[in-house]
Parts: sequence; structure tokens; C-alpha cells
Amino acid sequence: DIVMTQSPDSLAVSLGERATINCKSSQSVLYSSNNKNYLAWYQQKPGQPPKLLIYWASTRESGVPDRFSGSGSGTDFTLTIGSLQAEDVAVYYCQQYYNPPLTFGGGTKVEIK
Amino acid sequence: EVQLLESGGGLVQPGGSLRLSCAASGFTFSNYAMTWVRQAPGKGLEWVSAITGGGDSTYYADSVRGRFTISRDNSKNTLYLQMNSLRAEDTAVYYCTKDREGAKNEYWGQGTLVTVSS
Repeated sequence: DIVMTQSPDSLAVSLGERATINCKSSQSVLYSSNNKNYLAWYQQKPGQPPKLLIYWASTRESGVPDRFSGSGSGTDFTLTIGSLQAEDVAVYYCQQYYNPPLTFGGGTKVEIK
Repeated sequence: EVQLLESGGGLVQPGGSLRLSCAASGFTFSNYAMTWVRQAPGKGLEWVSAITGGGDSTYYADSVRGRFTISRDNSKNTLYLQMNSLRAEDTAVYYCTKDREGAKNEYWGQGTLVTVSS
């Protein structure tokens, strides 16, 4: 199974500042035939189901604000919130969908400093 | 509008069984793979099982393989998860999700809580 490791477990960022979350997979999730990384990011606010933010490692889902961006390839990925807003307080998860089982990272809790 | 409505959760004793259902609407159900994801209280997300649109292929997490069975009835636009030999560690909110080409878990239901306890 592919193990997904997120860091940090939590971070506190001032409003308007940048938040960076890292995700590392135990093996590459880059599919060579189409050069796509099978990596997604989700946001879960308290009391709500998760929401898909980014797929293919860097493609923003429709309706997701452009302050959210994804980057990385192979085994190392990053979710960046360019200018943190109050409504971005949530837990963020990465997930690989390269191979079943489609494993999630442990989550990163983002709070306001 | 895509809607996913889970049902069937509840309190069950260890070793017992439950069947979860997920009623889907707002899209052509048979065209899309579907997934179950669970979340234990205060914990992270765990992918549980997935099924292709036609139901011909199924996938399971190691933690549930042999105990859980995913299925779907495309004539009823409904996804199922039959859970047998339940354990305390299966206690979680179970979410039904819709996949699409290139992205997983595009839409999520609100979840149904399963509690395994004596």
C-alpha cells in the first residue's frame, strides 16, 4: 500500500499570510503514460464532509478560490493557501488515487494565529 | 444538483452486521464509480471500498476485505455497503462519494454514523 505522510500536523497562520502543507507518498504517484500525478487535496471544515479542492496534484476544482494551489510531482507535493482567510480554517487531507487502496494522509489542521 | 443520501447507520454489537445505503440523484448513476470513505470520531479519513460504474470491479481496504461487500443497483440509483463481523474499530461516520474521470470523491454525502459497541 502507498503510505501518505503529511506535515505539519497543524499550523497557525495570520490572516492574509501564506499557509503551506506538505504531503509525501511512499512511492511515486506519477503515471508515466499520461504524465499525471494521481494526487488530490481535500478540505474538511468542522461538522461537514470533506470537499475536493485539487486533483491531478495541481488542477483546481471548479469554484475553488485561486488562493488555493497545488504543486509537486512524483512523491512530494504541496498545498499552498496564498492568503489565508478566516473561512479557510479546516483540516486538509491529501490522497493518492494511483493504486487501490486509495490512501489518505493523516491531515493538517489549519488555524488562525 | 448532485445529491448523495446515506442511511442505515446505527448501533450494533461486535460481530453484528449492518447494510448501508446511499441514494444518488442529479447525475447518471451508472456512468460513475462510487466510493465509501469512513472517519472514526476525531480521526482522519480512511478509504474503505470502491466500485466501478457497471459494478464489475470492486476494491477494498485491507482492514475490511472479507468482511465488507460493496455493491450497487443502477436501476435504483443506490450504492450499498454490507458490513459483517463488525468490530469496535469500525465505528465511524461512513461517507458515500461520487467519482469522476480524473478525480475521486468529487461529491460527498453527509455521512451516516455506525457505532459498534456492546
